[in-house]
Amino acid sequence: DQQVKQNSPSLSVQEGRISILNCDYTNSMFDYFLWYKKYPAEGPTFLISISSIKDKNEDGRFTVFLNKSAKHLSLHIVPSQPGDSAVYFCAASEVENDMRFGAGTRLTVKP
Amino acid sequence: NAGVTQTPKFRVLKTGQSMTLLCAQDMNHEYMYWYRQDPGMGLRLIHYSVGEGTTAKGEVPDGYNVSRLKKQNFLLGLESAAPSQTSVYFCASSFSGRARSYNEQFFGPGTRLTVL
Repeated sequence: DQQVKQNSPSLSVQEGRISILNCDYTNSMFDYFLWYKKYPAEGPTFLISISSIKDKNEDGRFTVFLNKSAKHLSLHIVPSQPGDSAVYFCAASEVENDMRFGAGTRLTVKP
Repeated sequence: NAGVTQTPKFRVLKTGQSMTLLCAQDMNHEYMYWYRQDPGMGLRLIHYSVGEGTTAKGEVPDGYNVSRLKKQNFLLGLESAAPSQTSVYFCASSFSGRARSYNEQFFGPGTRLTVL
């Protein structure tokens, strides 16, 4: 059973606007959450993360929000750029060597 | 630095054939991982290694074997390939096993395997 879910397979936004990617999880024991970005023919690369003791983490144009009561996190990209077009994976971890990934959301940023 | 490399990039097998996927990293990482990615599903952990000479099962280990004879290499073997093993396989490495921003997993470019 998938413990991390990304219910939107794809998202399209206009350049300069905000992109919001969502992720839901079922395991309340997850204590660390990460976002990975993946371009075609490449492996995923780490983007941003957040600990369960925080509700927000910001890094430049990227902000991750965590709502533990709703078991929901989101990634905001402001402003969106065409180079942000990629597949974004949400991941969560409870114990060592066990990171659970969502199915990914394909973001397209149109010029 | 090449980071994490995977060989081969593509492979087509017939049911019952065997093959080995090679992963190499030049970052002196202790921990290495093999994942598979299937449509509509996230990356799922097959096996991992916490150091040279060690291996352990992940979420979906059945039908696969692994070996870590050298610290920089992690091999994934399929002894008798099945169509259900058609997937994209990713190798990753990290300094330690705890997922943290300062301990990210570095991924290879993937191997696309098709089993007919």
